[in-house]
Amino acid sequence: DSGVTQTPKHLITATGQRVTLRCSPRSGDLSVYWYQQSLDQGLQFLIQYYNGEERAKGNILERFSAQQFPDLHSELNLSSLELGDSALYFCASSATGDSGQKLFFGSGTQLSVL
Amino acid sequence: AQSVAQPEDQVNVAEGNPLTVKCTYSVSGNPYLFWYVQYPNRGLQFLLKYITGDNLVKGSYGFEAEFNKSQTSFHLKKPSALVSDSALYFCAVTLGGTALIFGKGTTLSVSS
Repeated sequence: DSGVTQTPKHLITATGQRVTLRCSPRSGDLSVYWYQQSLDQGLQFLIQYYNGEERAKGNILERFSAQQFPDLHSELNLSSLELGDSALYFCASSATGDSGQKLFFGSGTQLSVL
Repeated sequence: AQSVAQPEDQVNVAEGNPLTVKCTYSVSGNPYLFWYVQYPNRGLQFLLKYITGDNLVKGSYGFEAEFNKSQTSFHLKKPSALVSDSALYFCAVTLGGTALIFGKGTTLSVSS
């Protein structure tokens, strides 16, 4: 068990809808990362937060947004969903977010857009 | 821009034989290199990393990796494969201050 909790584990929704994915980092970790895993794109970095502030942004669509709350949990909001958004979304955490630190991954949220 | 390549989608090896999973990277600067493993229906787990120092890095479950700057490679190795090593392996790279970028992954299949 990595100590990173993601909910829900599975999410099935329709095109055009909006969903929220939730992540609780390991106790004491200040940095949270979101990744999208799909068969064709592999593991794509979306966004990183550190202690409530956005630290780095990757290939995140404008329809997607994220935030990290004062209790350090994070939410990834996906709106105007398209079929191509179907993927496994991972959250990871690290102690300070500095390069060189290992990431601890949650088990992921499997999103299916029908 | 930094990138990492895993040239093999799948590696097949018999139990007890040595295994190598290849990784090459492209960055301008001194990279931090990582290997992660993903078992079915699980998140990624850290195996090992290279930051600086000895080019041979030892990690979890008997795995090791060798950093080769001239060939810009960071191949994952294990002297004797186990069936339980069968999983999806990811190489990843970052420069200081940037997010971790992953390769597309290599499926390792160890047969008994």
